[in-house]
Amino acid sequence: KAGVTQTPRYLIKTRGQQVTLSCSPISGHRSVSWYQQTPGQGLQFLFEYFSETQRNKGNFPGRFSGRQFSNSRSEMNVSTLELGDSALYLCASSYLAGGNNEQFFGPGTRLTVL
Amino acid sequence: GQNIDQPTEMTATEGAIVQINCTYQTSGFNGLFWYQQHAGEAPTFLSYNVLDGLEEKGRFSSFLSRSKGYSYLLLKELQMKDSASYLCAVIDSNYQLIWGAGTKLIIKP
Repeated sequence: KAGVTQTPRYLIKTRGQQVTLSCSPISGHRSVSWYQQTPGQGLQFLFEYFSETQRNKGNFPGRFSGRQFSNSRSEMNVSTLELGDSALYLCASSYLAGGNNEQFFGPGTRLTVL
Repeated sequence: GQNIDQPTEMTATEGAIVQINCTYQTSGFNGLFWYQQHAGEAPTFLSYNVLDGLEEKGRFSSFLSRSKGYSYLLLKELQMKDSASYLCAVIDSNYQLIWGAGTKLIIKP
């Protein structure tokens, strides 16, 4: 079974631009969660989607948004990029919704904002 | 607020035993995960505890005390490949995962 895939793996943008990241979950998984990881901060939860509906949202500004398609693939969008948005963005899929299910992580997208 | 505390970094010797602690203060508790993350790679699942006690899985064991808000991950017979970050995550009352900053474990020969 193929694992979670994320594209692109690396991205360099400048302040003020916008970016879209993509995540394809493991086949059969309907829940996709997004996280931001920065050194010393750990994983910060962005949002969780299940069956095309946002179930949960973390404490991030409205510049961060996401969606999920009928095939469970998910995209995350960040508008008006700031230097502080530089981070590793991880997505994780699970069969069921909710944090009490084992999550399978993708390799991440490393975003650098200049 | 919600808080997960783990040591930032630990060093141990190949073949030895190491215990990585995690203390938490969260709004509710519905379980605790440990994940391993090698540098530049995705986190991978190690263990899940929801009841008090010790869960053993090969060289790795995880312990939970809900009354103390405390967990530890025990790694035995350390190997060089165990050099990684170990992430503790708690499921809160909203079934949302709250993550610690992770403990970087360095194994020396």
